[in-house]
Amino acid sequence: QKEVEQNSGPLSVPEGAIASLNCTYSDRVSQSFFWYRQYSGKSPELIMSIYSNGDKEDGRFTAQLNKASQYVSLLIRDSQPSDSATYLCAVNLSNFGNEKLTFGTGTRLTIIP
Amino acid sequence: GAGVSQTPSNKVTEKGKYVELRCDPISGHTALYWYRQSLGQGPEFLIYFQGTGAADDSGLPNDRFFAVRPEGSVSTLKIQRTERGDSAMYLCASSLTGTSGQETQYFGPGTRLLVL
Repeated sequence: QKEVEQNSGPLSVPEGAIASLNCTYSDRVSQSFFWYRQYSGKSPELIMSIYSNGDKEDGRFTAQLNKASQYVSLLIRDSQPSDSATYLCAVNLSNFGNEKLTFGTGTRLTIIP
Repeated sequence: GAGVSQTPSNKVTEKGKYVELRCDPISGHTALYWYRQSLGQGPEFLIYFQGTGAADDSGLPNDRFFAVRPEGSVSTLKIQRTERGDSAMYLCASSLTGTSGQETQYFGPGTRLLVL
């Protein structure tokens, strides 16, 4: 079992609809969870971070964390063509003192105009 | 302020050659990370520096890979006797302290390495 798993996609969503991206992780002691967006040929850019169970909203983006189910998701409302990218789920699997991130393989999202 | 910078942006080398990749973190960030990303994969951890010392080098694939951060700022990733399998995007990231448990890592633009 991979430590961080994502569906690789591609995921196609019509413009204006909600895009839902999912991620599961293996280590129950994980403390920090991140969603990065990566355009083709570019480096990852942080979209959202979440540390506590529940929802966290920032503009059109909502991150959801369920530590009991070891599950984190990202919802993108009112999807725009500029949201087309690969979305990487990243988890800090370690305890305090070493915050290296373990990434999933990424989900490729395409917003269809 | 300035973000993380990496040089060169692209590097083409021949199998067996030695390469150095440079990373300049955000000013004041004590934690620095190197990751490697192959096509279609997520970034994979290589090494983590806390100040000048390598706190975790468990991700380095073999002894051909080495990294330094002599003054606690700029870091250099060194690859000896390059192999075609080393071809990838090498990403550097920095964070403020690396010990709070809830820090954002800011990534540089990456160095794309191609070994012919």
